[in-house]
Amino acid sequence: DADVTQTPRNRITKTGKRIMLECSQTKGHDRMYWYRQDPGLGLRLIYYSFDVKDINKGEISDGYSVSRQAQAKFSLSLESAIPNQTALYFCATSESGTGNEKLFFGSGTQLSVL
Amino acid sequence: DQQVKQNSPSLSVQEGRISILNCDYTNSMFDYFLWYKKYPAEGPTFLISISSIKDKNEDGRFTVFLNKSAKHLSLHIVPSQPGDSAVYFCAARINNAGNMLTFGGGTRLMVKP
Repeated sequence: DADVTQTPRNRITKTGKRIMLECSQTKGHDRMYWYRQDPGLGLRLIYYSFDVKDINKGEISDGYSVSRQAQAKFSLSLESAIPNQTALYFCATSESGTGNEKLFFGSGTQLSVL
Repeated sequence: DQQVKQNSPSLSVQEGRISILNCDYTNSMFDYFLWYKKYPAEGPTFLISISSIKDKNEDGRFTVFLNKSAKHLSLHIVPSQPGDSAVYFCAARINNAGNMLTFGGGTRLMVKP
């Protein structure tokens, strides 16, 4: 079983709809992240959480919100989806510590907003 | 403006030869650099890293070189194998900034048999 699981793997939605992407992990890591990948732009950080009560905006948080329901669960919501939110979304985790910890990524959610 | 850039979107190499993937950065506060590898339909996986106090780190067929004065790092794969065909992302981090990474746009490596 995957250590970092994202659901759904693919989602097609219409402009204006609210959608939620879910992430769960069995690695026991405190830190969780949401990134989006766009061609040529690499991965950009949307939100991150260092523990259950901690939520922080990343580089591109506008139009998104998150919820850290438990240590193992971190969900990303698009309140009113728009076409330029079409992208590949990745959840990631890392240990707490010195700061050189590796990120462990899920397999991604391909989102298309029509 | 992108602080971490991979100027070659793609690279094609013959099996057995050397693959060199390049990455440039602009922020002199970056002190830790990583390479991630991504296969289709999978998430990126960590490959190799280097601290700014070093200029080289080697792990098997993979070596990362860091030139701080030029703000440039490169990943060398020797010898290249078809299974190395993937998208490679370089990433950089500022110390004491949590674990937030700034990623480059990626380079697609194709190793031909």
